[in-house]
Amino acid sequence: ETGVTQTPRHLVMGMTNKKSLKCEQHLGHNAMYWYKQSAKKPLELMFVYSLEERVENNSVPSRFSPECPNSSHLFLHLHTLQPEDSALYLCASSFGALGSYGYTFGSGTRLTVV
Amino acid sequence: GQQLNQSPQSMFIQEGEDVSMNCTSSSIFNTWLWYKQEPGEGPVLLIALYKAGELTSNGRLTAQFGITRKDSFLNISASIPSDVGIYFCAGHLQGGSEKLVFGKGTKLTVNP
Repeated sequence: ETGVTQTPRHLVMGMTNKKSLKCEQHLGHNAMYWYKQSAKKPLELMFVYSLEERVENNSVPSRFSPECPNSSHLFLHLHTLQPEDSALYLCASSFGALGSYGYTFGSGTRLTVV
Repeated sequence: GQQLNQSPQSMFIQEGEDVSMNCTSSSIFNTWLWYKQEPGEGPVLLIALYKAGELTSNGRLTAQFGITRKDSFLNISASIPSDVGIYFCAGHLQGGSEKLVFGKGTKLTVNP
């Protein structure tokens, strides 16, 4: 256990479904991130939240919608996804958006869009 | 965007062998971090480096922050089967965005 918990671990959804990924950390960190990990590609940063404010959105399609209700929780709401969105979605947290001491990652949600 | 060139992409070694992998860039970095990702899990931080020339060990792992601040290497000595996984380098660019830049990873397979 890293201290960052992601649920569910696996998710299969149809292209017309709506689902949400959840991330929770109790490390006292104040910055949280969503990353997408696809095979043979570098980790792709999707969203950054610092002190519950979104500070970065890396040109992510609107079918991905993040929500950060407090510094311990982060959600990624999904709707009308495409098969190419199938990937491992990783949540991470850090002290400050600089994250100089590194990010702590969760175990990820393996998403399959059918 | 900024790129980290991580090599090799994959390695197949025998148990007991030493391993070396590295990351290079045309840009200057303020920090270098090395992560390991095991199947079905997220990346876990192994070593963090903050100064040019810094050499840091964590058990059988040793990493160095290159003098030019454009590269870093990770060595694993006397490999064991549980060393299998994907190793990622990451760093913060000097004067750039505060976000971490990640390499594509080195996939390590250790044959018993």
